[in-house]
Amino acid sequence: NAGVTQTPKFRILKIGQSMTLQCTQDMNHNYMYWYRQDPGMGLKLIYYSVGAGITDKGEVPNGYNVSRSTTEDFPLRLELAAPSQTSVYFCASSYEPQHFGDGTRLSIL
Amino acid sequence: GQNIDQPTEMTATEGAIVQINCTYQTSGFNGLFWYQQHAGEAPTFLSYNVLDGLEEKGRFSSFLSRSKGYSYLLLKELQMKDSASYLCAVVEGKLSFGAGTTVTVRA
Repeated sequence: NAGVTQTPKFRILKIGQSMTLQCTQDMNHNYMYWYRQDPGMGLKLIYYSVGAGITDKGEVPNGYNVSRSTTEDFPLRLELAAPSQTSVYFCASSYEPQHFGDGTRLSIL
Repeated sequence: GQNIDQPTEMTATEGAIVQINCTYQTSGFNGLFWYQQHAGEAPTFLSYNVLDGLEEKGRFSSFLSRSKGYSYLLLKELQMKDSASYLCAVVEGKLSFGAGTTVTVRA
């Protein structure tokens, strides 16, 4: 039982490049979330999903897209990377409590 | 939306007690979580309060007053490994996090 798995763990992108952050969970949880955490700050919700085929915007969705075609997977897409998207990204599943992946450290230069 | 306030930093001595306060404003409260986050790691669950009162779990306790929009996390018998950030998170449909309180434990 791996829990919540995020890949990659680290990535450096150039401005304007695109990439997908992968998140998968093997606990059959309906709820999944994407957060970003800037240095010294709390977690800000980007997008969330309450089940396969259903996604909704969080607090800071601009510049990101998500899809939820299966219960297990919830990828986060950056289409045109910008320096403001340099952050640590956490995926989480479930509700009470949330289970977090180890994070993806993304730098955009 | 929600307004969640926590102190930015706290420092305490090994073996002492520290209380981290969290105040919030929300229109539809469904519970409050406390998470611990060590530097460079993911948050890990500490406690969950949905009813008023104190929940005790070993060295950690969490208190909630819904009428006052207030919670605290109490860390007793502090150990060096308790140096971390502590995040208060409020459930209103989805989960919203405070900015976190960095606790430094000194020998």
